[in-house]
Amino acid sequence: GENVGLHLPTLSVQEGDNSIINCAYSNSASDYFIWYKQESGKGPQFIIDIRSNMDKRQGQRVTVLLNKTVKHLSLQIAATQPGDSAVYFCAEGDGGFKTIFGAGTRLFVKA
Amino acid sequence: DTGVSQNPRHKITKRGQNVTFRCDPISEHNRLYWYRQTLGQGPEFLTYFQNEAQLEKSRLLSDRFSAERPKGSFSTLEIQRTEQGDSAMYLCASSLEWGGSEVLFFGSGTQLSVL
Repeated sequence: GENVGLHLPTLSVQEGDNSIINCAYSNSASDYFIWYKQESGKGPQFIIDIRSNMDKRQGQRVTVLLNKTVKHLSLQIAATQPGDSAVYFCAEGDGGFKTIFGAGTRLFVKA
Repeated sequence: DTGVSQNPRHKITKRGQNVTFRCDPISEHNRLYWYRQTLGQGPEFLTYFQNEAQLEKSRLLSDRFSAERPKGSFSTLEIQRTEQGDSAMYLCASSLEWGGSEVLFFGSGTQLSVL
C-alpha cells in the first residue's frame, strides 16, 4: 500500500562502529551500481559506484561489495560518524535516465 | 556555490493552480534531469535533456507537466492544474556524460504541497 514506503528500513549504530547497509537489486543484466546518501532537506549525493566486472571497490571510509550471484549490493561505512546519519539509496542502471533507485535505508548514528 | 541550484525551495499552492520550478545546473554539465521523490521513496525519473534537446520522458510525466531547457543551460518544470497527488519533492540533477559513465549531481529540490 502507499504507506509501505513511509517505513524505511532503519539501521542504528554506535558512533565509531562499522555500518553495513544492504540492497537487493532486480535486474541481473544491470552492469553499473551506485550508492547515494541523502541528508534531510537535501538532494541525494553520490558516494561510490561499482561496475559489474568488479566485486569490491573502496573509497574513503566506504566500501561497496557486489554479489551478482544473489543480486546483492552492500555499503560498508567504517568508523561511523554522526555526519553519516542520512538515508542511503542504492541505484542500478547506467547512472543516467535508466538509473533506478531502490528503497532507502535510514542510518542513525548514536553518540 | 557551484552546485545545482533549485528555486523555490518550497511551494504551497491550491489545487488547480499552475506552478513553475527552476533549475540551474552545474555550468559545464550537458545533461539535466528532473526527478520526483515522495516521502520514504527513492527518486523517480521524470525527464532529461542533453543540451537543449529533451531526449526522454517517463510515463509518469502526464500532459499537465512540461519541461524546457531553452538555451541548454537552466531548465524549468511547469505543472498545470495541480492535483493533490502532485505533492512531492521535485529534484533536478545535472551530469557530464563521458565514456558511458555519468554521475548525477542533485540540487536540494523544490518541495511542492498542493492543498
